[in-house]
Amino acid sequence: EPEVTQTPSHQVTQMGQEVILRCVPISNHLYFYWYRQILGQKVEFLVSFYNNEISEKSEIFDDQFSVERPDGSNFTLKIRSTKLEDSAMYFCASSEENRNYGYTFGSGTRLTVV
Amino acid sequence: GEDVEQSLFLSVREGDSSVINCTYTDSSSTYLYWYKQEPGAGLQLLTYIFSNMDMKQDQRLTVLLNKKDKHLSLRIADTQTGDSAIYFCAEILRNTDKLIFGTGTRLQVFP
Repeated sequence: EPEVTQTPSHQVTQMGQEVILRCVPISNHLYFYWYRQILGQKVEFLVSFYNNEISEKSEIFDDQFSVERPDGSNFTLKIRSTKLEDSAMYFCASSEENRNYGYTFGSGTRLTVV
Repeated sequence: GEDVEQSLFLSVREGDSSVINCTYTDSSSTYLYWYKQEPGAGLQLLTYIFSNMDMKQDQRLTVLLNKKDKHLSLRIADTQTGDSAIYFCAEILRNTDKLIFGTGTRLQVFP
């Protein structure tokens, strides 16, 4: 069964550093997303991406964050100048043109900012 | 608002049925979803229901939808220890791309 792949599975970074989280969505999917889950809290929407541009973003997704689809397969989330409160599990997801059938999520990247 | 509410914990004996409840917010949501998250793992789509349906059955899973009360439930028959996980209900808000998750219910199955 096709799956969404995320790397790395765990990233430790120093406060103030930049990190790039990588995702390979399912190949025939057209919509891409990033979500995050702070330990013990809800899964929160960050951003959606379609047709090479951001289609929607949440209040969390400020200038510190950016997304990119640098080639035909990867979808990345960049966090500039990381803060302690950025520590969370970051999930990538993708969906078909018909989003009603649900989003397929990757297994996540655990980001720890120290 | 965008609050999708669930009870936090449910503990059941192996072989019994589990019922996980959810109250969602957007009455115009056309699809509602149940996701499962095992420890340290991602979010696995279990099932979904279209809003014009009252019930959907998929093997051991039964989803019930009460649109009037905006109440969704997931029943797991013959619950097994492998069903121990956090279960999230979710909805896509109308005219958005956002899949909004509930607070999650931690299901613990004991022998």
